[in-house]
Amino acid sequence: QKEVEQNSGPLSVPEGAIASLNCTYSDRGSQSFFWYRQYSGKSPELIMFIYSNGDKEDGRFTAQLNKASQYVSLLIRDSQPSDSATYLCAVNQAGTALIFGKGTTLSVSS
Amino acid sequence: NAGVTQTPKFQVLKTGQSMTLQCAQDMNHNSMYWYRQDPGMGLRLIYYSASEGTTDKGEVPNGYNVSRLNKREFSLRLESAAPSQTSVYFCASSERRKVEAFFGQGTRLTVV
Repeated sequence: QKEVEQNSGPLSVPEGAIASLNCTYSDRGSQSFFWYRQYSGKSPELIMFIYSNGDKEDGRFTAQLNKASQYVSLLIRDSQPSDSATYLCAVNQAGTALIFGKGTTLSVSS
Repeated sequence: NAGVTQTPKFQVLKTGQSMTLQCAQDMNHNSMYWYRQDPGMGLRLIYYSASEGTTDKGEVPNGYNVSRLNKREFSLRLESAAPSQTSVYFCASSERRKVEAFFGQGTRLTVV
């Protein structure tokens, strides 16, 4: 069973700090990786995607990918209370659709 | 621009009843998906349709059937609902398989 693993949290950070969210995956053939944000009672919303090793930055968000270690992370700089949500890591799995981790709950305190 | 629209938003069923969850997208996407989300279990793929006319099982297909009615619409049917099917159901679509998917607002289903 190919899997995507995330620490469920909660991850608590003070306002203005950097939040670091991590994800590992088991399928070495995976080619694309996604981070979704989900507020309580709402649907998942795409934040970022990354296809190549290294870093990809978009505003306060940076996605990092290391295929050799099968590891993908999301950094949120200058965290705000509005960033408090569950963050879902998703990985493409050859032959099917996106496979999701169980999510990490982030809490940003003001 | 509506994106992905699911109906209904909420539903309560009795054990053994049947129902169909409807999903439509207006983004001209080729691929569509049904996921269920349960506390502590994350999003699990039920069925997907890589393109019009094709459907395939995901991780948890038992108890469900799907129909890709046309390029826009992908429905999920519960033939005989069970309490274990109490969940939040999300429909999603993507331009093609394995790229970013966009989600509908979800259907909260309770089977009593």
